[in-house]
Amino acid sequence: AQSVTQLDSQVPVFEEAPVELRCNYSSSVSVYLFWYVQYPNQGLQLLLKYLSGSTLVESINGFEAEFNKSQTSFHLRKPSVHISDTAEYFCAVSEREDSSYKLIFGSGTRLLVRP
Amino acid sequence: NAGVTQTPKFRVLKTGQSMTLLCAQDMNHEYMYWYRQDPGMGLRLIHYSVGEGTTAKGEVPDGYNVSRLKKQNFLLGLESAAPSQTSVYFCASKQGIMNTEAFFGQGTRLTVV
Repeated sequence: AQSVTQLDSQVPVFEEAPVELRCNYSSSVSVYLFWYVQYPNQGLQLLLKYLSGSTLVESINGFEAEFNKSQTSFHLRKPSVHISDTAEYFCAVSEREDSSYKLIFGSGTRLLVRP
Repeated sequence: NAGVTQTPKFRVLKTGQSMTLLCAQDMNHEYMYWYRQDPGMGLRLIHYSVGEGTTAKGEVPDGYNVSRLKKQNFLLGLESAAPSQTSVYFCASKQGIMNTEAFFGQGTRLTVV
């Protein structure tokens, strides 16, 4: 079974600084990867996803993630964060088991942006 | 466009009581999931369904039951609530192919005292 590791439970950073949130997954023949964001007291929203093709994927609000197959990583980055980016970020992998698909999540990283 | 709707949003139960959480989606998705979210543990899959009339166990199914009698609804039941089931519960749905994202409800905060 797949597993997803987010080593950093919390990442504090100052506004306008760059940030990287780390995500590693267990190896698989084929994998589909996602980053979700959860703002306080809300459900999860899709931030970006890797399905195939270019290993660098971008979101509309300046985040990007790079799929690295050799390192089994899918780290999330942003060159300059805003206060409004404060949220919890979850990395997820889509896993096929028998004939169905499960979405497996990491433990989450809380991004805390300070002024 | 409602998406995924969970009811209720909040609930306090006494140990031993039962309750049902309802998840409804209006996107005609085949797959539906129930997760629980606990501090430091991310989201853990309780049960899921790949279509009407089908259910399967996830990572932490004990103490929960589910039913998918209609495609748009996925019910999560607690027969005899325990304090360990205090959590925030999220429902999600997705299309039945691998490379599509899941859509989440707003969550149900359940406290068992």
